Amino acid sequence: DSGVTQTPKHLITATGQRVTLRCSPRSGDLSVYWYQQSLDQGLQFLIQYYNGEERAKGNILERFSAQQFPDLHSELNLSSLELGDSALYFCASSVGPAGGDNEQFFGPGTRLTVL
Amino acid sequence: KNQVEQSPQSLIILEGKNCTLQCNYTVSPFSNLRWYKQDTGRGPVSLTIMTFSENTKSNGRYTATLDADTKQSSLHITASQLSDSASYICVVSSRNNAGNMLTFGGGTRLMVKP
Repeated sequence: DSGVTQTPKHLITATGQRVTLRCSPRSGDLSVYWYQQSLDQGLQFLIQYYNGEERAKGNILERFSAQQFPDLHSELNLSSLELGDSALYFCASSVGPAGGDNEQFFGPGTRLTVL
Repeated sequence: KNQVEQSPQSLIILEGKNCTLQCNYTVSPFSNLRWYKQDTGRGPVSLTIMTFSENTKSNGRYTATLDADTKQSSLHITASQLSDSASYICVVSSRNNAGNMLTFGGGTRLMVKP
């Protein structure tokens, strides 16, 4: 158990809908990262927040947005969902702002299925 | 463009055998390299981290090597067990004025058979 929690575990929705994925980082970690992993694909970095502010941006679509709240939990919002958005979405956390220098601890993931 | 390539894409070995996974990168400037193990449907877990000055680092039956000159790393698994069946991901970190950036390899999917 990494100490990172994600909810929900599974999510099934229809095209065009909007969903929110939630992540709580390990106690004491200030950085939260979001990743997308499509079937049999590698991890794609989406976005990082550090202490409430956006720190780094990866291949995140305009239909997707995220935020980190004062209690450090984070939410990833996916809107106008398409079939291709079906994937595992992982959240990771680390102590500091530098994603490479600090070990990232990954949550169990949210499996999103868009029908 | 920063890239990390892993080989082979997939590998099947018998329990008890050894294997070596490869990672070649073109990331610059290099900061560090991590190997992660990802069980199917679960989040990755860090196995080792290697900085520029380190050549070899072990974690139990896992031994990672780094050749910063040729920009290659390997992960050697000794006396494989069924529980080693997973994807192994090489992640290279670079740091520049824009901040810290991670480049992920596509992973090697290892299957250990009894």
